[in-house]
Amino acid sequence: DVQMTQSPSSVSASVGDRVTITCRASQGISSWLAWYQQKPGKAPNLLISAASSLQSGVPSRFSGSGSGTDFTLTISSLQPEDFATYYCQQANSFPYTFGQGTKLEIK
Amino acid sequence: EVQLVESGGGLVQPGGSLRLSCAGSGFTFSSYWMSWVRQAPGKGLEWVANIKQDGNEKYYVDSVKGRFTISRDNAKNSLSLQMNSLRAEDTAVYYCARFDYGSGPFDYWGQGRLVTVSS
Repeated sequence: DVQMTQSPSSVSASVGDRVTITCRASQGISSWLAWYQQKPGKAPNLLISAASSLQSGVPSRFSGSGSGTDFTLTISSLQPEDFATYYCQQANSFPYTFGQGTKLEIK
Repeated sequence: EVQLVESGGGLVQPGGSLRLSCAGSGFTFSSYWMSWVRQAPGKGLEWVANIKQDGNEKYYVDSVKGRFTISRDNAKNSLSLQMNSLRAEDTAVYYCARFDYGSGPFDYWGQGRLVTVSS
């Protein structure tokens, strides 16, 4: 199975800050990487697919990059509504696996 | 507008059975792979199962193989998850999700249904 490791597990930041979350796969997954945002009590929301393709309706302050084993999600200027938990997910091979999550908290 | 609405779930004793259903609308249901993803209380996300458009290919996470069965009825735009021999560790919110086979993500999700396995 492909293990997905996110770092950090949690981060505190302020409105307007730039934040980067990393995701590392235990083996190469090409660009089969997605990022999700989840708020408490809600279903996850897809932000980015294919490592860097922004979903329709997602603000341009979100961006993704990487291929192979190392990926990043960057939020260029944090807004109040961005405080949530973020997950990466690989779809290169079954079983599809998620990272453990990164909780983004207000400083 | 794409909508996925789950039903079913609830409290069941260990060893018992439960069936979840998911009704899809706002898209051509028969054209998409569909999935179940779960989230134990306070924990992360775990993919559970996928089913191909025609129902002829199914994939499961190892921990549910032989106990859970994913199925679909394209005529009714419906997805199901039959869960047997339930264990305490199956306690979770179960989400129905549409799977974009072309680029790999779960692009639309239902609201989730809580399944609690406890005596």
